[in-house]
Amino acid sequence: GEQVEQLPSILRVQEGSSASINCSYEDSASNYFPWYKQEPGENPKLIIDIRSNMERKQIQELIVLLDKKAKRFSLHITDTQPGDSAMYFCAGAATGGNNKLTFGQGTVLSVIP
Amino acid sequence: GALVYQYPRRTICKSGTSMRMECQAVGFQATSVAWYRQSPQKTFELIALSTVNSAIKYEQNFTQEKFPISHPNLSFSSMTVLNAYLEDRGLYLCGARAGGWNQAPLFGEGTRLSVL
Repeated sequence: GEQVEQLPSILRVQEGSSASINCSYEDSASNYFPWYKQEPGENPKLIIDIRSNMERKQIQELIVLLDKKAKRFSLHITDTQPGDSAMYFCAGAATGGNNKLTFGQGTVLSVIP
Repeated sequence: GALVYQYPRRTICKSGTSMRMECQAVGFQATSVAWYRQSPQKTFELIALSTVNSAIKYEQNFTQEKFPISHPNLSFSSMTVLNAYLEDRGLYLCGARAGGWNQAPLFGEGTRLSVL
């Protein structure tokens, strides 16, 4: 099945700087890549996603890049704020009709004021 | 708006007993429901995927005998953790979606299971 690797596991950045989280996948048929933010004690919430027909997507301070050849995708948070501190998960959808979403291991982001 | 409601939010059970949790899709019809477990300090493990008009598919290391799932209609699913032990602790999430693989599932708040 699909495997999604996520790095780094822990990320600390200064407020106002950028934070980048990288993921890679194995199944070349995977065509959908959502990102989730999970705050302590809460459920994961979708923050941005990208499909294989795009290389870049931006929603406000969130930027997602997809490199299909390298089977890599990344999340970039520009101008980080303390409220961005949370756990972030990338995921990839295995196609073929089974609707299965495989998650990365997660990244704990801490934004230092 | 669309949301997924899970019940209970938190529960405690004695080791060896069973616990049932429910998932309700509100505002949309869930053509597929996936149950995940997030163990302490870990990512989300897919337990099983239930799709309309298809048999429930369990992932490796998870079985119907341990985690029986019911998906009687497009708005409701339930899962039971049978004979729960310490390793079954964690946050159980229900992810439901109305469409196919290229839609992100909408997650409920989860059921946090503690085992004594």
